Amino acid sequence: AQSVTQLDSQVPVFEEAPVELRCNYSSSVSVYLFWYVQYPNQGLQLLLKYLSGSTLVKGINGFEAEFNKSQTSFHLRKPSVHISDTAEYFCAGQSGGGADGLTFGKGTHLIIQP
Amino acid sequence: EAGVTQFPSHSVIEKGQTVTLRCDPISGHDNLYWYRRVMGKEIKFLLHFVKESKQDESGMPNNRFLAERTGGTYSTLKVQPAELEDSGVYFCASSQVGGSSQFFGPGTRLTVL
Repeated sequence: AQSVTQLDSQVPVFEEAPVELRCNYSSSVSVYLFWYVQYPNQGLQLLLKYLSGSTLVKGINGFEAEFNKSQTSFHLRKPSVHISDTAEYFCAGQSGGGADGLTFGKGTHLIIQP
Repeated sequence: EAGVTQFPSHSVIEKGQTVTLRCDPISGHDNLYWYRRVMGKEIKFLLHFVKESKQDESGMPNNRFLAERTGGTYSTLKVQPAELEDSGVYFCASSQVGGSSQFFGPGTRLTVL
């Protein structure tokens, strides 16, 4: 069975500082990985995804993530955050079929401090 | 192009009552998924439709939950009778056949008193 772990429930960061949100996955089969963001009072929006190929994936709003198979990680990074990045971020995995339901981590609240 | 829509946005009911949630996927998306987030927990997969057929319903918590997708367009999720532990946010998502990206609706917040 697949599992996704987000160890940090909250990450406070000062505005314009870099940030990394951690995600680790556990799967015995090939896996697709995703990061979603939920802004206050909105639905989930896809930030980026890794299916195959280049391990560095670039997404919207200046975010990127790196797939690391040896460490079973898919950490999300942004070099300089803004107040508007305040949201909850979810890492999710999907078994290699591409149409299965997603397995989510518990989410990480990114709190931007001015 | 309209995104995934869900109705209602909020629902407050009493234990024992029935509630029906509706999801309208993006037009042309044959895959439709239901998820639930109970407070303080992760978002959990409930089930997956391909057109009108249930492809995977392994996440459905019990037989008080009934999902339908007649005609392969919109879907409904009925909870009957509702229990306190059913409270949470119910998300719907859709994707194209062969597509890997699931697009989520804004969710329905269900509160069972």
